[in-house]
Amino acid sequence: NAGVTQTPKFQVLKTGQSMTLQCAQDMNHNSMYWYRQDPGMGLRLIYYSASEGTTDKGEVPNGYNVSRLNKREFSLRLESAAPSQTSVYFCASSELWGTRETQYFGPGTRLLVL
Amino acid sequence: QQPVQSPQAVILREGEDAVINCSSSKALYSVHWYRQKHGEAPVFLMILLKGGEQKGHEKISASFNEKKQQSSLYLTASQLSYSGTYFCGTERGSARQLTFGSGTQLTVLP
Repeated sequence: NAGVTQTPKFQVLKTGQSMTLQCAQDMNHNSMYWYRQDPGMGLRLIYYSASEGTTDKGEVPNGYNVSRLNKREFSLRLESAAPSQTSVYFCASSELWGTRETQYFGPGTRLLVL
Repeated sequence: QQPVQSPQAVILREGEDAVINCSSSKALYSVHWYRQKHGEAPVFLMILLKGGEQKGHEKISASFNEKKQQSSLYLTASQLSYSGTYFCGTERGSARQLTFGSGTQLTVLP
């Protein structure tokens, strides 16, 4: 199993450009998440998807959109990139343990917006 | 509301012990612990539930004090491989959303 994969690994954008970050998991998990991590800080939730066909906002959703394409794939789109969106983006999926979920993270996408 | 982790950083020698704390001002349903090495993804270590259930890494132990809304991660006989930044993620209610602390940087020296 590859686990959670993300593409691209690195990206440089100019202000105002758009791009889509891709995420896929092969663990048959229902829930998937997008986080951003800024230097010296913890992870902040952007959006999550509890199941195929559903998405919900997290703590910092402004400037982002998501699509849960199918059970495996969950993409994050920046419509008009801003320097404040320079960050490392992590996708995660989670498996159910009892009534709770434990999350497993992908390797991350490092994004620089100039 | 973001949980507070302490200490912010700790340096150990191989074989020494460390305790990392995570506190919240709000009632918690569960606490999750992750370790992240530089330039890598966070890796799941443990989950602790209100009521005492837990699941996690064989060589790492943790506690969850429901009255104080505090969790502690115990790293005993530390190894070089324990170096990294440790994050706690707290969960309130049934939303299944985690709020992460800002991390504790652990460095283990030979």
